Amino acid sequence: DAGVTQSPTHLIKTRGQQVTLRCSPKSGHDTVSWYQQALGQGPQFIFQYYEEEERQRGNFPDRFSGHQFPNYSSELNVNALLLGDSALYLCASSSRSAGRETQYFGPGTRLLVL
Amino acid sequence: ELKVEQNPLFLSMQEGKNYTIYCNYSTTSDRLYWYRQDPGKSLESLFVLLSNGAVKQEGRLMASLDTKARLSTLHITAAVHDLSATYFCAAVYNQGGKLIFGQGTELSVKP
Repeated sequence: DAGVTQSPTHLIKTRGQQVTLRCSPKSGHDTVSWYQQALGQGPQFIFQYYEEEERQRGNFPDRFSGHQFPNYSSELNVNALLLGDSALYLCASSSRSAGRETQYFGPGTRLLVL
Repeated sequence: ELKVEQNPLFLSMQEGKNYTIYCNYSTTSDRLYWYRQDPGKSLESLFVLLSNGAVKQEGRLMASLDTKARLSTLHITAAVHDLSATYFCAAVYNQGGKLIFGQGTELSVKP
């Protein structure tokens, strides 16, 4: 059983560019949440997708957007990249029918903005 | 607004010693999570605590939850070098599953 997968593993972009990160949830999970983890800090919630809709959102600007597909996989898009967007981006999957009790994290995508 | 605070933020231990990491959260939360993170890696789930008085143990780690005090603890027994990592606690903001993380406790176990 494959766990949560994310792609790419590493990415280097320049300021002003746009980036798309991808996440496939664990088999049987229908909810995907995205987190940003800056160096030396705890992860911060960006948003959560369920049934192809954004259900909850953290304190992130509109430059951060997402999408969930019918197969439950998800994308995180960041426009107009800033140096401060450099971070590890983690996605977590869970199951609504299980009360989203356990959240499994993927390996992350490390984004560097130059 | 739910806030989560951990202490200590840095912990240097000798092998064989015991210690406790504390996690306080500011408002009611349905459940409390503990995760481990190795340098450059993702988060590994350690424990999910679902109710007041819950206690879970795995190897040298034991976690407990006191919802009345809004406090969770992660107790390390007879530490070994392999436990060196950063430990995060996280509380659930609402039933939707939004996690609010603490700052993390960087644990270093030295021989």
